[in-house]
Amino acid sequence: EDQVTQSPEALRLQEGESSSLNCSYTVSGLRGLFWYRQDPGKGPEFLFTLYSAGEEKEKERLKATLTKKESFLHITAPKPEDSATYLCAVSTDNFNKFYFGSGTKLNVKP
Amino acid sequence: DTAVSQTPKYLVTQMGNDKSIKCEQNLGHDTMYWYKQDSKKFLKIMFSYNNKELIINETVPNRFSPKSPDKAHLNLHINSLELGDSAVYFCASSQDQIGPDDEAFFGQGTRLTVV
Repeated sequence: EDQVTQSPEALRLQEGESSSLNCSYTVSGLRGLFWYRQDPGKGPEFLFTLYSAGEEKEKERLKATLTKKESFLHITAPKPEDSATYLCAVSTDNFNKFYFGSGTKLNVKP
Repeated sequence: DTAVSQTPKYLVTQMGNDKSIKCEQNLGHDTMYWYKQDSKKFLKIMFSYNNKELIINETVPNRFSPKSPDKAHLNLHINSLELGDSAVYFCASSQDQIGPDDEAFFGQGTRLTVV
């Protein structure tokens, strides 16, 4: 059965304290793994797509990596404005299904 | 211009009522979706339409009926609303099947509260 699991559920960091969020997945026929950011009261906002194991993508303080079983979202020297819920999702070959994990709520304190 | 827009943003209604949520995308995409986000912030797909045809219909009560008058619109009608239907509903679209070069764009959500 296709499954996406994110950890930790919540993460508190001090400004400048780097860390990583994890997304582990079990799917058949991965078409892509996606990271989204969601702010309170808003819809998810696209950050990255990864497809091949070993692939990496960067955007400002964020870097996403992918292995055959999991993806990491590394946050380097975070700022308070990075506080949000980060969602991982996978797209599969099976009838265009697009599964989300339960998210990691990140809180960066100044 | 908003790429994926939903109306209304907030909807408060009584149990047993019938209500609709509208969604429009101006991206020229062929595929549209409805997601439900529960109180634990878990996003779960409900329906997917491609060029007005139903592609995905997850285990959703028959009280929920999507309608796609054209590929730019996907409305969600809910009959006989129940307390458990309270959630945030998100509309999304993508050009085709979501993949490496084709991400999904989301609307701002409709917060439905059934009292």
